Amino acid sequence: DTGVSQDPRHKITKRGQNVTFRCDPISEHNRLYWYRQTLGQGPEFLTYFQNEAQLEKSRLLSDRFSAERPKGSFSTLEIQRTEQGDSAMYLCASSSGTVGGEKLFFGSGTQLSVL
Amino acid sequence: EDQVTQSPEALRLQEGESSSLNCSYTVSGLRGLFWYRQDPGKGPEFLFTLYSAGEEKEKERLKATLTKKESFLHITAPKPEDSATYLCAVQSDYKLSFGAGTTVTVRA
Repeated sequence: DTGVSQDPRHKITKRGQNVTFRCDPISEHNRLYWYRQTLGQGPEFLTYFQNEAQLEKSRLLSDRFSAERPKGSFSTLEIQRTEQGDSAMYLCASSSGTVGGEKLFFGSGTQLSVL
Repeated sequence: EDQVTQSPEALRLQEGESSSLNCSYTVSGLRGLFWYRQDPGKGPEFLFTLYSAGEEKEKERLKATLTKKESFLHITAPKPEDSATYLCAVQSDYKLSFGAGTTVTVRA
């Protein structure tokens, strides 16, 4: 168990540019989540995958955001035409989907700064 | 929609000074209440899951309790290494809904 891995750890971009983040979940976990966290706030749910299927997207996720999880392994989150309001920590989490509750394991996040 | 409110927003403690953090929640059907610890620049780290009112869990100097409306995280005789933001989250379906957290600072 090497934990959830996210890359890059930090990304600085100019407004209007596209960015892509990668998440490698714990290998046997079939559920993968993306959250966004701004300073002083708790993580906010963005989207969720069960294996390769994207089962829910939050209303927070505009059309500029897209996430994929090909073959049910790693996941990518792309933000097109970035805006300053997109600046945040983007967290990925995975779980095994046990009955009766979820224990999410989080990565260290990707800190995005949009200038 | 699930809602989680944590108080206080910040807590400054002297080493050895015990205290409690509060998490109030409204949820359509509670599958679990979670406590996480988050250090600056890192992702949340799992501490506890509580499933039903009256349940308690302990880990070192931390103890979590659950009622039908709220949960408490008790910190007994804290040490400086307990300084962190403590997040509470509820699960009613497959995802977790988080509160804003309580930032705890323990001075030596």
